[in-house]
Amino acid sequence: GAVVSQHPSWVICKSGTSVKIECRSLDFQATTMFWYRQFPKQSLMLMATSNEGSKATYEQGVEKDKFLINHASLTLSTLTVTSAHPEDSSFYICSHATSGTDTQYFGPGTRLTVL
Amino acid sequence: SQQGEEDPQALSIQEGENATMNCSYKTSINNLQWYRQNSGRGLVHLILIRSNEREKHSGRLRVTLDTSKKSSSLLITASRAADTASYFCATDDSNYQLIWGAGTKLIIKP
Repeated sequence: GAVVSQHPSWVICKSGTSVKIECRSLDFQATTMFWYRQFPKQSLMLMATSNEGSKATYEQGVEKDKFLINHASLTLSTLTVTSAHPEDSSFYICSHATSGTDTQYFGPGTRLTVL
Repeated sequence: SQQGEEDPQALSIQEGENATMNCSYKTSINNLQWYRQNSGRGLVHLILIRSNEREKHSGRLRVTLDTSKKSSSLLITASRAADTASYFCATDDSNYQLIWGAGTKLIIKP
């Protein structure tokens, strides 16, 4: 199956700083990737759909200016949490769904802790 | 990773009928979650039911949880064409990592 990697796996930052999370597809070309956020003991929440070469599509309630998504190539999508605050501390996960199927391949996730 | 099992793998019913999907899992859980995925789209959270709950409702959705049998069911009443999607259950392990079922593909015929 498709392999998706994320970097970093864990990041701790000070409040007010920006954090970039990378999501890479290692063995396929991903025109579309999805970004999710999961708070402890809660559900996986879809944040946005990242489209290669175009603007991301954000879910209702997700601030596009705070969570910047860039999908500049078919193998890399980045999520930048700008001016992070403690309430942004969460587990961020990207995934890819292969064209024509409903199988989602998830990255291992990035745990963000904002102090 | 995938540990849960869902049945049926695919289900096709007439619009207006009820659809029931089942999910079984193997380990102790903190909660169980159901998601919907429309073709080519991201997963959308439907319902979360905690391990100490037995039943939960949300609109036309009803979820039950039987921890003694390690199983859950998702009932969609009065189905609509827009309910056509794949439905996944997920459980969280002791590290709060989600463990996914293989999904049930639901087709609602108009």
